[in-house]
This record gives sequence, C-alpha cells and structure tokens, in this order.
Amino acid sequence: QQQVRQSPQSLTVWEGETAILNCSYENSAFDYFPWYQQFPGEGPALLIAIRSVSDKKEDGGFTIFFNKREKNLSLHIKDSQPGDSATYFCAAPGNTRKLIFGLGTTLQVQP
Amino acid sequence: ETAVFQTPNYHVTQVGNEVSFNCKQTLGHDTMYWYKQDSKKLLKIMFSYNNKQLIVNETVPRRFSPQSSDKAHLNLRIKSVEPEDSAVYLCASSGTGYTQYFGPGTRLLVL
Repeated sequence: QQQVRQSPQSLTVWEGETAILNCSYENSAFDYFPWYQQFPGEGPALLIAIRSVSDKKEDGGFTIFFNKREKNLSLHIKDSQPGDSATYFCAAPGNTRKLIFGLGTTLQVQP
Repeated sequence: ETAVFQTPNYHVTQVGNEVSFNCKQTLGHDTMYWYKQDSKKLLKIMFSYNNKQLIVNETVPRRFSPQSSDKAHLNLRIKSVEPEDSAVYLCASSGTGYTQYFGPGTRLLVL
C-alpha cells in the first residue's frame, strides 16, 4: 500500500497563478517531509523540506503547509513560471535511512 | 553542480545481455542508493549501502546485484536483462541526515 500519497497526479496552471500540490501519509511517526523537484532527463533534487514540529516552511516562492493532526501537507508554488514545470515528489523517512516517495505530481505552467 | 555522477547516460541492449552501470559521488557521503524509476515516474528503492555494507535490499530479481568498491562508488549489474528492466536507474547518496542527492540517471532500453 502507498504510505505517501500525492494529488493531483497532474496539474496545469497559468503563469502567475499559485499551484497547490497535496501530500498525505499513513504513519504518524513520520517527522520529516522533503519535496523533490525533477525535470525531464534529470534526477530529482531537493526543493524544500519541513519537520513535523513546524506547520509552515517558506523558501523563495515555495511554501509547505503542514497539518500533523490530519496527516497531510501541501506545497504552494506562488507566481508559477514555465520554468517551474516539473514533477514534484513528496517523501517521508522510512526505516534504515531510506525515503518513501509518493507517485509525484506533474506540474505544467502555461505561459 | 553535479556531485553524483552516473555512466552511461543511456544504454540500449538485447534481452538476455548483461549490463553494468556506474555511480560515483564526491560529497563524502557514507550512504549510497540505487532506485528504479519506471515510465510512470514511480521511484522505487532497490538497494542501499552504508560504508560499503549492504543495508537495504528490497525485493528485486536476483539478476540485479550491487557492487561497492569503496564508499564513494556503487555500481549496479544486471545479469540477464528482461524487457521489464527498461527504466531509468537513479543513483543517490546521503550524509548523516535524510537528504538524498541524486545523479542524472541511466536510461536503459531493453529490446
């Protein structure tokens, strides 16, 4: 079963809009949630991360909102640009130092 | 700035052949990983090594075998490739935290 779920599977927004990507998880012991960004032909790269002691984390135009009680979080991309078009993965730490990835959300920003 | 290097970028081969992929990291990390990413972008961990010791070995066919000569290198050998092995193979490394740094991937096409 998928321990980290993402929605929507794909998202299209217009340039300048805020894109909202959602993530939920099963295990309430998860305490660290990185988001990775992957462009076609490249490996994923860490974009932003949040620890469960916080409910919000901002970095540039990227903001994570975290709801521990509901076991979900969302990534907001403010003022989306075509260059933000990529696949975004939410992840959580499993045992033995591995990361459990969601299935990703593919974002398309239309000019 | 690339710090996880993978070769080759792309490999085409016939069913039944043996292939080998190389990965090197220059970050000084102790832990390295191999992931398989399928056409739907699902990221699935295959192996994880910590200081040349295997610590994670997910359920993968026996024809896959990791090889580590030192903590900066982790290679992947596939003994007799099958069509379902066509995918992108991503190498990653991590230090003391959970953040993983990915290489650009090796794209394998099995004809």
